Amino acid sequence: GAVVSQHPSRVICKSGTSVKIECRSLDFQATTMFWYRQFPKQSLMLMATSNEGSKATYEQGVEKDKFLINHASLTLSTLTVTSAHPEDSSFYICSATTLPANEQFFGPGTRLTVL
Amino acid sequence: DQQVKQNSPSLSVQEGRISILNCDYTNSMFDYFLWYKKYPAEGPTFLISISSIKDKNEDGRFTVFLNKSAKHLSLHIVPSQPGDSAVYFCAAIAGTALIFGKGTTLSVSS
Repeated sequence: GAVVSQHPSRVICKSGTSVKIECRSLDFQATTMFWYRQFPKQSLMLMATSNEGSKATYEQGVEKDKFLINHASLTLSTLTVTSAHPEDSSFYICSATTLPANEQFFGPGTRLTVL
Repeated sequence: DQQVKQNSPSLSVQEGRISILNCDYTNSMFDYFLWYKKYPAEGPTFLISISSIKDKNEDGRFTVFLNKSAKHLSLHIVPSQPGDSAVYFCAAIAGTALIFGKGTTLSVSS
């Protein structure tokens, strides 16, 4: 299957700093990328849908000014957690697809810890 | 309100036996369902899917059953193997995105 990578795999930062997470589709062009967040023992919660070249669509309750998403190319989407706080600590996972949604390919995830 | 529910947070099964993972959904507009397997600190990997026009899909040891009238689907793994131990997520397609259940942790003992 198609490969999606995320970088970094793990990041620890101080409260108040910003962290950027990259999601890349390595062997295909993704028209749409999704960002999910997973809390311990909870489901994957969709944060936003990003289409190349356009603004991301955020799910209800997700602060778009805090979680900045950029999908500048068909192979790269970035999620920037701005002014991170300890409650932002979580496992962030991206997925990429050329649609339909049943052909989403997930990245390995990024563990963010905010001290 | 959760649209995709996995009411059993965990399941323990002996090697060689059948594992049955259940999933319920509330939105009758969902027409495609998927099961993912996930290890800790990794992204989910696709396992098997089913369209609402079918009631069964089989792939090797994995079979998914769909009961549209009950808004219920299940994943059967037989025979279960220790390597199957993981968290299993049920998901439904809503538009272009996936809605996931909370997952069921399967433990297969040898």
